[in-house]
Amino acid sequence: QKEVEQNSGPLSVPEGAIASLNCTYSDRGSQSFFWYRQYSGKSPELIMSIYSNGDKEDGRFTAQLNKASQYVSLLIRDSQPSDSATYLCAVETNFGNEKLTFGTGTRLTIIP
Amino acid sequence: SQTIHQWPATLVQPVGSPLSLECTVEGTSNPNLYWYRQAAGRGLQLLFYSVGIGQISSEVPQNLSASRPQDRQFILSSKKLLLSDSGFYLCAWSSLAGVYEQYFGPGTRLTVT
Repeated sequence: QKEVEQNSGPLSVPEGAIASLNCTYSDRGSQSFFWYRQYSGKSPELIMSIYSNGDKEDGRFTAQLNKASQYVSLLIRDSQPSDSATYLCAVETNFGNEKLTFGTGTRLTIIP
Repeated sequence: SQTIHQWPATLVQPVGSPLSLECTVEGTSNPNLYWYRQAAGRGLQLLFYSVGIGQISSEVPQNLSASRPQDRQFILSSKKLLLSDSGFYLCAWSSLAGVYEQYFGPGTRLTVT
């Protein structure tokens, strides 16, 4: 079983709609969760971090965490063509060793 | 503010040639440093990480090595490249204070021919 799983996509969403990206993880002891955005040919950029159950909002982005279900998601409201990218979920899976395990990413395409 | 640099940006090397990729971080002290490889269409694979000068942990046995000669400098090396070493090499840093957020450099795209 993969430690961090994401749907590879591609996920196509009309401009202005809500894009929903999902991630599950296997280590019940994980405490820190991150979403990165990676444009084609570029390096990953950290866009959200979440540490507690519930929702965390930052502009058009909302991260949701449910530790009981081992599930973290990212919602993008009012999707824009510039949101088209691959989104990587990352989870701290070796507490104290300061390492992250990344999912393989979900490719998101916003259709104008 | 913190800045992370990597060079070169792109590199084409023949099989069997040596490799040296460099990463430097500005604006922070005692960072954790990481080397990742991202093969085409695949996820990020952690290769090495370092919590201090001369302290290197290897995640995957391979023909690559890493060194940290200075606090904010991290070097990835190989004596003889393989075709399978092609990929996008990313350096990242995080603070030592138990915060796991990692920030990536611009990357080096390596093609082994």
